[in-house]
Amino acid sequence: QLQLQESGPGLVKPSETLSLTCAVSGDFISSISYYWGWIRQPPGKGLEWLGSLYYSGNTYFNPSLKGRVSISEDTSKKQISLKLRSVIAADTAIYYCARAYCPNAVCQTAYIDYWGEGTLVTVSS
Amino acid sequence: DIPVTQSPSSLSASVGDRVTITCRASQSISNSLNWFQQKPGKAPKLLIYAASSLQSGVPSRFSGSGSGTHFSLSISSLQPEDFATYYCQQTYSAPSMSFGQGTKLEIK
Repeated sequence: QLQLQESGPGLVKPSETLSLTCAVSGDFISSISYYWGWIRQPPGKGLEWLGSLYYSGNTYFNPSLKGRVSISEDTSKKQISLKLRSVIAADTAIYYCARAYCPNAVCQTAYIDYWGEGTLVTVSS
Repeated sequence: DIPVTQSPSSLSASVGDRVTITCRASQSISNSLNWFQQKPGKAPKLLIYAASSLQSGVPSRFSGSGSGTHFSLSISSLQPEDFATYYCQQTYSAPSMSFGQGTKLEIK
């Protein structure tokens, strides 16, 4: 059983960098059968995928974020980190970290089997 | 990026009704489509994966179908706890992914 817990500042000023950490409790498995993702949800709105980190260290990001996002992992600390630069008010959202499982190591049929509880980040001066 | 379009955006129904939500992908995604349920203040919960496979512990009144570009989620007999927001998600472009806009299911 895995537990994911997001943490970080709840308030970030416009133009600054939003930094969040996802602490993983349980088996932090780095394999071709899993990848990590960050997803956000503005208040009252839908889910938006931000980016993913695959076991090879490769990262993939939502093009709409225009290069403002980065994701990294610290396997020794069992943590996944998100950085979003040059934030604006529209970046105010609940931020979730998640793990996706790739059945038979086929990630085209992946599904998110674990979510963190989410953390609200407000962008305001 | 492969956009997925969900409809309707909202739906009113009564306990005991059968409802269907649809999701269309902009290109063929085989069966790489998942469905989630989200209740207020909670993270999404996986209901259906690979278009039609029921996640363990999810009631059998939930079912998914479709392949290629057209998918649907059906709830055969609505229960009070089913009133929530539902999202489809494609992972054909994994590790990238995209979500539908959501369908809010409300009590009539």
